[in-house]
Amino acid sequence: GNSVTQMEGPVTLSEEAFLTINCTYTATGYPSLFWYVQYPGEGLQLLLKATKADDKGSNKGFEATYRKETTSFHLEKGSVQVSDSAVYFCALSDRGGKLIFGQGTELSVKP
Amino acid sequence: GAVVSQHPSRVICKSGTSVKIECRSLDFQATTMFWYRQFPKQSLMLMATSNEGSKATYEQGVEKDKFLINHASLTLSTLTVTSAHPEDSSFYICSARDRLDPYEQYFGPGTRLTVT
Repeated sequence: GNSVTQMEGPVTLSEEAFLTINCTYTATGYPSLFWYVQYPGEGLQLLLKATKADDKGSNKGFEATYRKETTSFHLEKGSVQVSDSAVYFCALSDRGGKLIFGQGTELSVKP
Repeated sequence: GAVVSQHPSRVICKSGTSVKIECRSLDFQATTMFWYRQFPKQSLMLMATSNEGSKATYEQGVEKDKFLINHASLTLSTLTVTSAHPEDSSFYICSARDRLDPYEQYFGPGTRLTVT
């Protein structure tokens, strides 16, 4: 079946450090891929998405590229801020439109 | 942007009582809404898919008689936790899919349910 695997957290970085959160997926066909962010006590917000191979999603300095050959959608940001501290979820959307989430990666950015 | 609201944001109830959680799409019509459950420091678990005007489709292992879902209109879905018990305490999140943009889901802010 379809699945998403993320690198385990928590990830702790200093402000302005480079961020990578790895995400790989298993799916039949060509799913859409997403990164969602969840701030403490809140629901999920869509951070970025890519709907086909080689697409790059970007938003608020975050980027991720849909790599079909490596079945990956790694999240990157060149310089993190304290306000980026949150839990990040990688997800794929199957043909029926259901979202399948990774386990989430907690990011903590220290000043 | 598309906004989904949930009400209440927090609720505490006694064991054995029922609790209703509302999910509303505020500025778009949602033919499909999803209900998720999230345990502390864990991922979201899809409970059911709710389609307007028809019965909800429950994921394996989710008790349909315990978690009643009603999608009465294109902007409202409700989840009723019946005869709640402490193990039902969790964070419940809904999402809605815009009928004009079927590839994206918009999430509500979640409802924290505590059963005492």
